[in-house]
Amino acid sequence: DAGVIQSPRHEVTEMGQEVTLRCKPISGHDYLFWYRQTMMQGLELLVYFNNKAVMDDSGMPKDRFSAKMPNASFSTLKIQPSEPRDSAVYFCASSSPEGVPQFGTQYFGPGTRLLVL
Amino acid sequence: GDSVTQMEGPVTLSEEAFLTINCTYTATGYPSLFWYVQYPGEGLQLLLKATKADDKGSNKGFEATYRKETTSFHLEKGSVQVSDSAVYFCALSDREGGSEKLVFGKGTKLTVNP
Repeated sequence: DAGVIQSPRHEVTEMGQEVTLRCKPISGHDYLFWYRQTMMQGLELLVYFNNKAVMDDSGMPKDRFSAKMPNASFSTLKIQPSEPRDSAVYFCASSSPEGVPQFGTQYFGPGTRLLVL
Repeated sequence: GDSVTQMEGPVTLSEEAFLTINCTYTATGYPSLFWYVQYPGEGLQLLLKATKADDKGSNKGFEATYRKETTSFHLEKGSVQVSDSAVYFCALSDREGGSEKLVFGKGTKLTVNP
């Protein structure tokens, strides 16, 4: 299995620009999570999906962030406009459906390191 | 709400030393407990987990026992190696509390010197 795939791995952009991060979950997983990791705040959950539907986006700044999952194998996290404080590593993770032995375990991608100048 | 508290680092040990990283939790339901490890420049990887009281999770020489009476899940390893240098995260999943989310501790950075 290829694991969770994220792209790009690194992104450098200027303040005010739109940034789109992409994630392909493990095949068969129906939960998908987006996290942000910074030195100051640690690991924060931004949003998560179940069967493509948003279950909880309370951690996501709604004014500039948006997350979508148009199909079971693809999700995007968009920041528009980006700001320097958005600089962080963004992780995508996925987990199995209920009833599978690995249910509850999240598998993380390698992350996208974002720098907003 | 649910929370995880783990010992603050950084922790620096010599090779072959004994490791303990403390983790305690609060939860409304009956959570599953996890330890994840993050090596430099990588994403988090599941190290071990336990789903009920007195369960012991183990992997790569690391162990942790689910202690409901003390609400703890301390990570231990008898003899650390340089390759164990990483950041370790304790986490819980509280499905009975109505959520599939993982609640993470702040992480403990471990450095093992030769």
